[in-house]
Amino acid sequence: KAGVTQTPRYLIKTRGQQVTLSCSPISGHRSVSWYQQTPGQGLQFLFEYFSETQRNKGNFPGRFSGRQFSNSRSEMNVSTLELGDSALYLCASSLQGVSTEAFFGQGTRLTVV
Amino acid sequence: AQTVTQSQPEMSVQEAETVTLSCTYDTSESNYYLFWYKQPPSRQMILVIRQEAYKQQNATENRFSVNFQKAAKSFSLKISDSQLGDTAMYFCAYGGSNYKLTFGKGTLLTVNP
Repeated sequence: KAGVTQTPRYLIKTRGQQVTLSCSPISGHRSVSWYQQTPGQGLQFLFEYFSETQRNKGNFPGRFSGRQFSNSRSEMNVSTLELGDSALYLCASSLQGVSTEAFFGQGTRLTVV
Repeated sequence: AQTVTQSQPEMSVQEAETVTLSCTYDTSESNYYLFWYKQPPSRQMILVIRQEAYKQQNATENRFSVNFQKAAKSFSLKISDSQLGDTAMYFCAYGGSNYKLTFGKGTLLTVNP
């Protein structure tokens, strides 16, 4: 059974640009959640989707958005990139909800220059 | 809001010895899950062990076991017969009713030969 797949693995963007990250969950999993990991702030929750519905959103500015498609694949978008958005973005997949059990992808390392 | 505290930023242990990582949490919920995740240098977040709060029996997975003290809101991880491959950052995480995981700041464990 394939694991959680995040693409791309690495990304370099310029301030002011926008970026889209993708996450394909484990087959059959309907919940996808996103986390930002930085050395200073640690792991912070961005949002969670289940069957195309956002069930929770973390304390991030409106520049951060996400969506989930009918096949459970999810994307997150960051507009007007800032240097502080440089981070490892992790996606987690779960059968019914990340609160019970979650499996993570390898992450996307975003660098904003 | 739930919080997770890991009071040991770094720990080291000799190969084959036993080490215990500490974690405390705060919540007003009665039903929840607790997790230990391992993040090696590859940055892949790997689920080590999971504990359901309504289960009194401590979870065990091979060399990994937990000491779950619900009243004290304590959830420590014991690693027996430490191996070089156990070297990683270990995160304690809480999963409750709000469809997200709340992570501690992590403990960097180094296993020395």
